Amino acid sequence: SQTIHQWPATLVQPVGSPLSLECTVEGTSNPNLYWYRQAAGRGLQLLFYSVGIGQISSEVPQNLSASRPQDRQFILSSKKLLLSDSGFYLCAWSGDRMTDTQYFGPGTRLTVL
Amino acid sequence: KQEVTQIPAALSVPEGENLVLNCSFTDSAIYNLQWFRQDPGKGLTSLLLIQSSQREQTSGRLNASLDKSSGRSTLYIAASQPGDSATYLCAVRPGGSARQLTFGSGTQLTVLP
Repeated sequence: SQTIHQWPATLVQPVGSPLSLECTVEGTSNPNLYWYRQAAGRGLQLLFYSVGIGQISSEVPQNLSASRPQDRQFILSSKKLLLSDSGFYLCAWSGDRMTDTQYFGPGTRLTVL
Repeated sequence: KQEVTQIPAALSVPEGENLVLNCSFTDSAIYNLQWFRQDPGKGLTSLLLIQSSQREQTSGRLNASLDKSSGRSTLYIAASQPGDSATYLCAVRPGGSARQLTFGSGTQLTVLP
């Protein structure tokens, strides 16, 4: 069966510090991978998605970036965090090309102080 | 631009009641619609996915319907239980090659024992 992992589970970072969040998927190959952010009082916002190694599409212009160095690894990064980057970051994968059903990881709670 | 609205924002019912959660979307040119459950501080769990050509999907006590022409979907929960307490989110995937899901802001359900 497929599983998706995210770490860290929680993170508190000062403004201006760098960020690296990691997501890995097990039990499948060549998944589509997604990064979402859920801010307090707001819905989920798609940040990035990837259909293959090195292929990243950005949905929202911001100071975040994503990379996919391996087939089942998706990394969300920032060089300098802003207060507005605080939120709950969710990684998701999909493998069914017809339905594109998305399965979500446990999330990372990021607080920028 | 697709907009997804969920009403009500919060709902509290006694255990055993049948209930309906509503989701509406502004652009009927969707590929599919997905219902998720989110427990506090957790990731999303996929409940049901309805393709644009389908009218409904059922899983256990859950039944989701889709009326694409009117831009509406409902999630029916039969014989509600305290364990059903969570936030329920609907998300639509647009037609064509686009992959991003547009989420509603969710309905927070509390089932009272």
